[in-house]
Amino acid sequence: DVKVTQSSRYLVKRTGEKVFLECVQDMDHENMFWYRQDPGLGLRLIYFSYDVKMKEKGDIPEGYSVSREKKERFSLILESASTNQTSMYLCASSPQGVGGPDTQYFGPGTRLTVL
Amino acid sequence: RKEVEQDPGPFNVPEGATVAFNCTYSNSASQSFFWYRQDCRKEPKLLMSVYSSGNEDGRFTAQLNRASQYISLLIRDSKLSDSATYLCVVNHRGSGNTGKLIFGQGTTLQVKP
Repeated sequence: DVKVTQSSRYLVKRTGEKVFLECVQDMDHENMFWYRQDPGLGLRLIYFSYDVKMKEKGDIPEGYSVSREKKERFSLILESASTNQTSMYLCASSPQGVGGPDTQYFGPGTRLTVL
Repeated sequence: RKEVEQDPGPFNVPEGATVAFNCTYSNSASQSFFWYRQDCRKEPKLLMSVYSSGNEDGRFTAQLNRASQYISLLIRDSKLSDSATYLCVVNHRGSGNTGKLIFGQGTTLQVKP
């Protein structure tokens, strides 16, 4: 079974803090993704990565950065947390290859509250 | 305009009912189509892919109409356990095999006893 784990299920931070969200997958997948999910807006792609040390901006990268130093780990960084970054953050991974990127496997999510 | 649009619902149906969800997408270059299911406070999981010829998996039938840029999901004989949010998803495949999934905001289904 594919397993995607996220470092925290719930996180409470203060405005201005630097926040690290960690994601690890154990299936040797090339592709990894970070989304946020908000009511009425659905899942929105923040950043993604197709290989180690590679990253691509998604639809809403502002206020975020990412790091992929190892294939199995993809970190999302909020440089200076703000209240509008309160959200559910979901990490996903998928294999490369024909049909590969289509099926994404999600972690359980981190519900971040910024006070 | 959203790239993938769904009626958010909620759809409240009795057990045993047949219910259909629809979805439209705006990018005619979209290549792959899916339905994902998301239970309350859980992560999304792939329910089924959608093919032009239509495909069926037990009580679930998915259809794609490329000309109208329209995707549907039909659930027959609804069970209480079908209560969830159903996400319509399309893939914009870029160069090589790189692509990203575009998610609709989801349609919520509540099946009542």
